[in-house]
Amino acid sequence: NAGVTQTPKFQVLKTGQSMTLQCAQDMNHNSMYWYRQDPGMGLRLIYYSASEGTTDKGEVPNGYNVSRLNKREFSLRLESAAPSQTSVYFCASSGHLGTGGPGELFFGEGSRLTVL
Amino acid sequence: AQKITQTQPGMFVQEKEAVTLDCTYDTSDQSYGLFWYKQPSSGEMIFLIYQGSYDEQNATEGRYSLNFQKARKSANLVISASQLGDSAMYFCAMRENGRGSYIPTFGRGTSLIVHP
Repeated sequence: NAGVTQTPKFQVLKTGQSMTLQCAQDMNHNSMYWYRQDPGMGLRLIYYSASEGTTDKGEVPNGYNVSRLNKREFSLRLESAAPSQTSVYFCASSGHLGTGGPGELFFGEGSRLTVL
Repeated sequence: AQKITQTQPGMFVQEKEAVTLDCTYDTSDQSYGLFWYKQPSSGEMIFLIYQGSYDEQNATEGRYSLNFQKARKSANLVISASQLGDSAMYFCAMRENGRGSYIPTFGRGTSLIVHP
């Protein structure tokens, strides 16, 4: 079982360039999330998708867009990268409450993005 | 105001001793879940333990236990018999169930170093 797979693992961009982070999960989870992790700030939610066909803003959505392509895939796009978007990005998924587990997050391995 | 507060940026413990990592939370929901995750230096996020707001017993998972004090709104992680492999960042998170979105919010983390 692959769990949550995100690509790429590393990326260097120049200011103003665009890129898309891809995420896929094979656990049939309804909910998917994109977080960014910065030193001393913990994980902050960028966008989430509670179910296929819906997306909503999190705490720090500015400069990002997302697409829930299907139940498995949830991508994060930076349209015009800025140095402030240098961070480690995590995709995560979770099942619904009442499906037998506590609804913990399953994370991808992270994507380290540097914007010069 | 932060929903999850971890007041210890860094902690040190001797191998084989117990250590408590603090977490306080803020919510007006009656139904919520509390989680602890571990992030080793390799970067992946690992789910450790879960406590539901209606659970009367403190959660335990092997050497991990959660000291849940509902009236004080605290959910401290206790690691017994520390091992060198416990050196990592530890994040406390809360999911509020009253709003339908079930989005986990994270604290800023505590860095634990286990000395031999």
